[in-house]
Amino acid sequence: QKEVEQDPGPLSVPEGAIVSLNCTYSNSAFQYFMWYRQYSRKGPELLMYTYSSGNKEDGRFTAQVDKSSKYISLFIRDSQPSDSATYLCAMSGVGGGFKTIFGAGTRLFVKA
Amino acid sequence: ETGVTQTPRHLVMGMTNKKSLKCEQHLGHNAMYWYKQSAKKPLELMFVYSLEERVENNSVPSRFSPECPNSSHLFLHLHTLQPEDSALYLCASSLGLAGLVNEQFFGPGTRLTVL
Repeated sequence: QKEVEQDPGPLSVPEGAIVSLNCTYSNSAFQYFMWYRQYSRKGPELLMYTYSSGNKEDGRFTAQVDKSSKYISLFIRDSQPSDSATYLCAMSGVGGGFKTIFGAGTRLFVKA
Repeated sequence: ETGVTQTPRHLVMGMTNKKSLKCEQHLGHNAMYWYKQSAKKPLELMFVYSLEERVENNSVPSRFSPECPNSSHLFLHLHTLQPEDSALYLCASSLGLAGLVNEQFFGPGTRLTVL
C-alpha cells in the first residue's frame, strides 16, 4: 500500500465550478498536511499548510484534514482557468521527522 | 520566482556521458533537497542536505552523486545513466528540517532525457 494515494486525473471542469481534490494516506502519524500547486514547466509551490486536523480557508481555497479517516481534501470555489495546474498533496512530521511524502498529483483543467 | 534556480533547464545525454545539474538558492535556507519527478508518480526524495551535511540518501543508485559545497549551492553529478532515469529533477530548499520551517521552495527543475 502506498503511503499517500492521489488520483492523477486529469480532472476537467468548467469555469466557476467547485473543485474537490483528495488524498488518502496510511500512516496515522503524519502531523503536517500540505497542498502544492505546480504549473507547467515550473516547480511545485506551497499553496496551503495545515497542522493536524481541521479546516483552513484562504480566499477561494479550503483545505480539510480528517485524521480519523486518513483523508485530506482541497476545495477550490469559483474555479478559474488560471487554476489549471497539477495539485500535489504532501504530508510530513512522522515522529518529528522532516521527510515529506508527496502524492502523485492531480492534473486539473478549468475550461473558460 | 521562488528564489531557487536550476541549470540547465533541459539536458539530453547519452548513457556514457557525465554531466552535472546545478541548484542555487538565494533565500538563506539551511536545507536543500533533490527530488525526481516522473509522470504520474509521486515525487521521489533522493538526497537531503542540512548545513552542508547529507542527512538522507534514499537508496539512490551510485550513478547519481550529490555535492553540497555550501548552504546555497547543490549539485547532482550524473554518470552512466539509464533511459529510465529520464525525468524532471527538482531542487528545493527550506529554512530548516522540521515542522513549520520545513516549507520547501522548489526550483523549476531540469528536464533530463537519457538516450
